[in-house]
Amino acid sequence: KAGVTQTPRYLIKTRGQQVTLSCSPISGHRSVSWYQQTPGQGLQFLFEYFSETQRNKGNFPGRFSGRQFSNSRSEMNVSTLELGDSALYLCASSLDEVGGEKLFFGSGTQLSVL
Amino acid sequence: AQTVTQSQPEMSVQEAETVTLSCTYDTSESNYYLFWYKQPPSRQMILVIRQEAYKQQNATENRFSVNFQKAAKSFSLKISDSQLGDTAMYFCASRSGGGNLIFGKGTKLSVK
Repeated sequence: KAGVTQTPRYLIKTRGQQVTLSCSPISGHRSVSWYQQTPGQGLQFLFEYFSETQRNKGNFPGRFSGRQFSNSRSEMNVSTLELGDSALYLCASSLDEVGGEKLFFGSGTQLSVL
Repeated sequence: AQTVTQSQPEMSVQEAETVTLSCTYDTSESNYYLFWYKQPPSRQMILVIRQEAYKQQNATENRFSVNFQKAAKSFSLKISDSQLGDTAMYFCASRSGGGNLIFGKGTKLSVK
C-alpha cells in the first residue's frame, strides 16, 4: 500500500506570491490533516479535513486555507507569502473518524520564502 | 488547553544501551491518547508507539516501551538495545477526542 504522498518536496517562492501544496492520503483514509514545522515554533496544527469538510482548524491567519476532494486528496494554499511562512509542511492521513487513531505522515514539503 | 513538554532537547546513547526520553503533558480531558513519533533525517514522521489513557497497561512495541504515569501526567519512552537507526528527533504528542495532535518540542537522540 502506498504511503502518504506530498508534492512537491521542495519549493522556493518570493514574498507576496502564493503557493499550493498537495497531499495524497493512503488509500481508504478519509481524514487528512496539515501541520507546519519550524525550528522556532515546532509542530503546529493547521487544519483537518474529513470527507471534504474542514473539521478542525488551528490558529493560523486566513492566508492559510485548504480543501479536500472527493477522492480524499487534499491541498493547502498559502497566499501573500511572508518570510515567516518558510517551514516544513507535513500532511497526515488516518482511517477512522474517532480521535486516537494512528496518523500516517508524508515526507513533507519544504517551503522557502525569499 | 493541552500542552506537551519534553525537557530534554538532546540526548546521546551508546549502541546496545538503553535510553529513556521524558515527556509530561497536561489535559483536562478524561479520554485522550498519547504518542511517540520519530522523525529521522528523511523528515518523515513515523509512529513509534501509542498509549490509550484509559488503559493501565504500558504499551510496548518490540524494543520500545513506555512508562505511563497517569496521575503524574508523565509518558516516557524507553528504547532498549539502541541501534544506529534510532538516531532521530523524537516527539511526544497527545490527542483528545476528535482534536488535533499537540506535539512537544522534541528530543534529538544520537546513537553512537
